Amino acid sequence: DADVTQTPRNRITKTGKRIMLECSQTKGHDRMYWYRQDPGLGLRLIYYSFDVKDINKGEISDGYSVSRQAQAKFSLSLESAIPNQTALYFCATSDSRTSPNEQFFGPGTRLTVL
Amino acid sequence: KQEVTQIPAALSVPEGENLVLNCSFTDSAIYNLQWFRQDPGKGLTSLLLIQSSQREQTSGRLNASLDKSSGRSTLYIAASQPGDSATYLCAVTGGFKTIFGAGTRLFVKA
Repeated sequence: DADVTQTPRNRITKTGKRIMLECSQTKGHDRMYWYRQDPGLGLRLIYYSFDVKDINKGEISDGYSVSRQAQAKFSLSLESAIPNQTALYFCATSDSRTSPNEQFFGPGTRLTVL
Repeated sequence: KQEVTQIPAALSVPEGENLVLNCSFTDSAIYNLQWFRQDPGKGLTSLLLIQSSQREQTSGRLNASLDKSSGRSTLYIAASQPGDSATYLCAVTGGFKTIFGAGTRLFVKA
């Protein structure tokens, strides 16, 4: 079983719709992240959470919100989707107790906004 | 602001060739540098992580080096195989953020 799972894996929606992407992990890590990937660009950080009560904006948080429902769950919401939010979205986790602070990624959600 | 650049953007080599992928970064104040592999439509798989105090890490046919003073890392792949075809990403962590390069797309011809 995958350690970091994302649902849905693919989603097509229309402009103006509200969308929620979910991430769950069984690694017991305290830190979780949301990134988006666009063709020709590296991954860019949207939000990150160091524990359930600690949520921080990343590089490109406008138009997005997050919720850390539990240590193992971190959701990303697009309140009113727009076409330029079409991208591949990744959730990642890391363990602050581990010296290298290595990040582990989920399989990604491909989101298309028409 | 940290910037991470990977050159070349794409590379095609015959099977069996040894190759080097490059990653450069602008701010040497980093905690670690991580190399990932990404297959089409898939997530990222961690290959090697080098802490700021280390010079290199090895795993099988892969060797990654880090030179903080010059802001460079290289990923060396020995005896390349068609199964190595993928996009390779480097990521630099400093402060509370990880910055990714755009990746090098590698194609190994059989």
